[in-house]
Amino acid sequence: DAKTTQPTSMDCAEGRAANLPCNHSTISGNEYVYWYRQIHSQGPQYIIHGLKNNETNEMASLIITEDRKSSTLILPHATLRDTAVYYCIVRPVIGNEKLTFGTGTRLTIIP
Amino acid sequence: KAGVTQTPRYLIKTRGQQVTLSCSPISGHRSVSWYQQTPGQGLQFLFEYFSETQRNKGNFPGRFSGRQFSNSRSEMNVSTLELGDSALYLCASSLGTGQGGNSPLHFGNGTRLTVT
Repeated sequence: DAKTTQPTSMDCAEGRAANLPCNHSTISGNEYVYWYRQIHSQGPQYIIHGLKNNETNEMASLIITEDRKSSTLILPHATLRDTAVYYCIVRPVIGNEKLTFGTGTRLTIIP
Repeated sequence: KAGVTQTPRYLIKTRGQQVTLSCSPISGHRSVSWYQQTPGQGLQFLFEYFSETQRNKGNFPGRFSGRQFSNSRSEMNVSTLELGDSALYLCASSLGTGQGGNSPLHFGNGTRLTVT
């Protein structure tokens, strides 16, 4: 599976958009980009995933560059409850429920 | 729809004992995966079950085992517990078939195991 690189930590002011970058320069054409987040003492929460096109759901937007080597997760109006560790994961299109988690980005929302 | 349910939420065991953790997947999900999370190693894949068969396995010793029942519920067993087995054990479920990587895994809130 392709490896991902994320900043260790980020801060964002409450009410502003939080933009979390992820580098996956070795991604192949048959791998999705997934984002999860984990709030302390809870299990990882699925946020969004995409293959080539940008995606948006009720939680966030996912912007994937045209060459697919990097992506950005956007939380449009961050709240204090968005403080968590965010994981960017690359997952094969075919088969395999195994997710390889890195160390993620610790996002802190500042009041 | 109810989420993934794991029981118990907390568990304290002594070295050498064995433990069984339980996971009820989201209704309609046929794949159940187990993960171990520790501060030092992060989240690591243990194994995955689909239709009562182990389909994928991580790099853990044979003391870690699991099974899946016909209703897709799963149990994980750890025998001869060691201090290093103290961790948050997470279960995740997904459709597991036909969707491939397009079917998100949904996690429970885990069982926190402490071995003394």
